[in-house]
Amino acid sequence: QKEVEQDPGPLSVPEGAIVSLNCTYSNSAFQYFMWYRQYSRKGPELLMYTYSSGNKEDGRFTAQVDKSSKYISLFIRDSQPSDSATYLCAMSSYNFNKFYFGSGTKLNVKP
Amino acid sequence: GAGVSQSPRYKVAKRGQDVALRCDPISGHVSLFWYQQALGQGPEFLTYFQNEAQLDKSGLPSDRFFAERPEGSVSTLKIQRTQQEDSAVYLCASSIRTGTGRSNYGYTFGSGTRLTVV
Repeated sequence: QKEVEQDPGPLSVPEGAIVSLNCTYSNSAFQYFMWYRQYSRKGPELLMYTYSSGNKEDGRFTAQVDKSSKYISLFIRDSQPSDSATYLCAMSSYNFNKFYFGSGTKLNVKP
Repeated sequence: GAGVSQSPRYKVAKRGQDVALRCDPISGHVSLFWYQQALGQGPEFLTYFQNEAQLDKSGLPSDRFFAERPEGSVSTLKIQRTQQEDSAVYLCASSIRTGTGRSNYGYTFGSGTRLTVV
């Protein structure tokens, strides 16, 4: 069993929809939780970063962490075609020297 | 430079050939990481440098894989006697800080080198 599980999708939504992306994990030592966006043939780009449990909002993006359930979420409001990409969750323990990534969810926002 | 630069962007190698992949991190970034991303998968950790010191190489899949960063800036990932299972995108990332504390230490990734072993 992988340490981080993520539904690969693909997820297809109409423009303007609210998108919910999720990951589960098994290692209770994870403290830092991140979401990356990856366009085709590009490297991952950091979207959101959260330490421990709680919510964090940045524009149209909200990240949630529930450590008791070992479950993290990314919500995208008012989704745009430019949001079409693969979204990767990533996690790290306290030393932040090694990230564990999910397999990525491919999102397609239709105009 | 403005970002992490990797070269070559694409590499086709015959099985058994040795390859060298180069990473130019963002100037002044202390930490440098190599990840391997297979098709349809998330990146998997290979190795981590803090300046010139290789502090973690636990993700290197075999002794055919070797990484170095001799002067604490440019890094090279070398794969000897390539096998088909080595086909993947190899991502390099750098970060200005070392791995402690609670500030935002998100990596900056390069666009990767896509290695195809035929």
